[in-house]
Amino acid sequence: GQQVMQIPQYQHVQEGEDFTTYCNSSTTLSNIQWYKQRPGGHPVFLIQLVKSGEVKKQKRLTFQFGEAKKNSSLHITATQTTDVGTYFCAPSAYGNKLVFGAGTILRVKS
Amino acid sequence: SAVISQKPSRDICQRGTSLTIQCQVDSQVTMMFWYRQQPGQSLTLIATANQGSEATYESGFVIDKFPISRPNLTFSTLTVSNMSPEDSSIYLCSALGQGAYNEQFFGPGTRLTVL
Repeated sequence: GQQVMQIPQYQHVQEGEDFTTYCNSSTTLSNIQWYKQRPGGHPVFLIQLVKSGEVKKQKRLTFQFGEAKKNSSLHITATQTTDVGTYFCAPSAYGNKLVFGAGTILRVKS
Repeated sequence: SAVISQKPSRDICQRGTSLTIQCQVDSQVTMMFWYRQQPGQSLTLIATANQGSEATYESGFVIDKFPISRPNLTFSTLTVSNMSPEDSSIYLCSALGQGAYNEQFFGPGTRLTVL
């Protein structure tokens, strides 16, 4: 089935530094969603990317979908302690199902 | 958006017993899903809960072990049958949103420990 590689597994940054997580697929994706899960919480939807080369911004978060629709990234500018959590990419599969990447755990040191 | 509640929030069970987890959505939704998540790991889809018909299971998950009910458009249950310690995990239900993005809304999860 459809699988994605997500890197890095873990990143520990100083507050104010930037952070990026990458999601790569060997096949073309129809679309990709990103979720954030706070420690002890449940995944919360952040964004969906559909178009080739699409870039969307939400305040300090920038999401990109590659031209070939095989990769995506989430970049956080000037991290804050509230950004702590695990970020998952999740391409859609047949039947509105999601295939979650392994996730990137972000820790922010203040 | 959809607000989802799950019961119980956590449980500790004995090997060989079964536990039924309930998932309630505050609005009617077309699709509901059940996931399993080991602490610190990603989410693995168990099945799609279909209203009025049998659930659709992913590879590696079977109905005898994880029977699912979906009696209406706001409610679903997942039973973990004949439990073993390997079933210890967090079980989450989700519902497909009705908006433009087809995002999924997740319940808070049920933390299951099997002794």
